[in-house]
Amino acid sequence: GAGVSQTPSNKVTEKGKYVELRCDPISGHTALYWYRQSLGQGPEFLIYFQGTGAADDSGLPNDRFFAVRPEGSVSTLKIQRTERGDSAVYLCASSPSVAGGNNEQFFGPGTRLTVL
Amino acid sequence: SQKIEQNSEALNIQEGKTATLTCNYTNYSPAYLQWYRQDPGRGPVFLLLIRENEKEKRKERLKVTFDTTLKQSLFHITASQPADSATYLCARPHGSSNTGKLIFGQGTTLQVKP
Repeated sequence: GAGVSQTPSNKVTEKGKYVELRCDPISGHTALYWYRQSLGQGPEFLIYFQGTGAADDSGLPNDRFFAVRPEGSVSTLKIQRTERGDSAVYLCASSPSVAGGNNEQFFGPGTRLTVL
Repeated sequence: SQKIEQNSEALNIQEGKTATLTCNYTNYSPAYLQWYRQDPGRGPVFLLLIRENEKEKRKERLKVTFDTTLKQSLFHITASQPADSATYLCARPHGSSNTGKLIFGQGTTLQVKP
């Protein structure tokens, strides 16, 4: 079956530009997560959604980062006024739910963002 | 704060040997710990979850332990194969077990030589 997909796979942009990264979760998964991963590091939590609402956005580094999931399926991570320090691989994951502590997360391949 | 620490040095072992990777956590014991495998250019893939009240869990050649006294989880791969070469990540929930927010360690890279 189809897994989590992310587009684009690579994005190169200039400092100060706006970017959108898209995530298509596994069909039927109610929970969706965004992480950021730098080279040699583990994934760093950004935000997660339960349905359409952001259940926890405590990992978003500042107000330049915003994410939406308007219909409870596809999600878009939006970064305004990009900075070189935003360069990283942005990972999306989904899971059937969060309840019960069975939080096995299914990850997409990531979007590699490079800010020049 | 709740942290996960993994040995950042790569682990190199010979094919057929048992690989043992360490995950140490700070603060209170989490309700569970998870282990993921990540290959270069790919997203992490879930391997095992072990709960606080479970001392050990096995899945095929994999074994995970959870020691709340040492605040440590060990991840073992027996009869290792070159195909097991990858980065292995340990993760804990931040706060309650019903949160979706996972805290990951930096991962340990395993290289199995034929």
